[in-house]
Amino acid sequence: SAVISQKPSRDICQRGTSLTIQCQVDSQVTMMFWYRQQPGQSLTLIATANQGSEATYESGFVIDKFPISRPNLTFSTLTVSNMSPEDSSIYLCSGCRVGSTEAFFGQGTRLTVV
Amino acid sequence: KNEVEQSPQNLTAQEGEFITINCSYSVGISALHWLQQHPGGGIVSLFMLSSGKKKHGRLIATINIQEKHSSLHITASHPRDSAVYICAPFQGAQKLVFGQGTRLTINP
Repeated sequence: SAVISQKPSRDICQRGTSLTIQCQVDSQVTMMFWYRQQPGQSLTLIATANQGSEATYESGFVIDKFPISRPNLTFSTLTVSNMSPEDSSIYLCSGCRVGSTEAFFGQGTRLTVV
Repeated sequence: KNEVEQSPQNLTAQEGEFITINCSYSVGISALHWLQQHPGGGIVSLFMLSSGKKKHGRLIATINIQEKHSSLHITASHPRDSAVYICAPFQGAQKLVFGQGTRLTINP
């Protein structure tokens, strides 16, 4: 298994600013994903973080708004840029290994934009 | 129609009651996760199922691949079981699709 440490756990930010969320895994995982959960909604995939290359974004999400880095197999960041109150959500990272259906999750970041 | 439907959406029960949460999905899957989400947003994977039934303590999960249906049961429920429970089948390329969750409240 693997343990993912996600931080910050929560933050309150001013509109127009940016926040970077980090996920550190205690062992190598092949794939990492970033999700958003808007209030009262289910988790939605933002993008797949690819090691050493640009992330693969889902429909409705763009790199300028949600830049993602994945410099190695144990670390990834998601930045929420130029925030507005509509970005207030829980953001969650997860990881898994190719060929395995086991999935690991971070603790989530509860973001409030005022 | 959502790809993953959970029922009920909200459930309140008394301590000690037997709890059942159902999940029906339309995506083709190789496996399915049952997840527990705490108020802060963090998620823990309770079970990963590809067939049959699994048991862990007071939790039991079953899956019927042909009928595209899974259930999560909690025996002798306790207030500390209060959380949101999420069904998440694999859609492919190891991507998970999430249900909306079932908010469970167990009263003492």
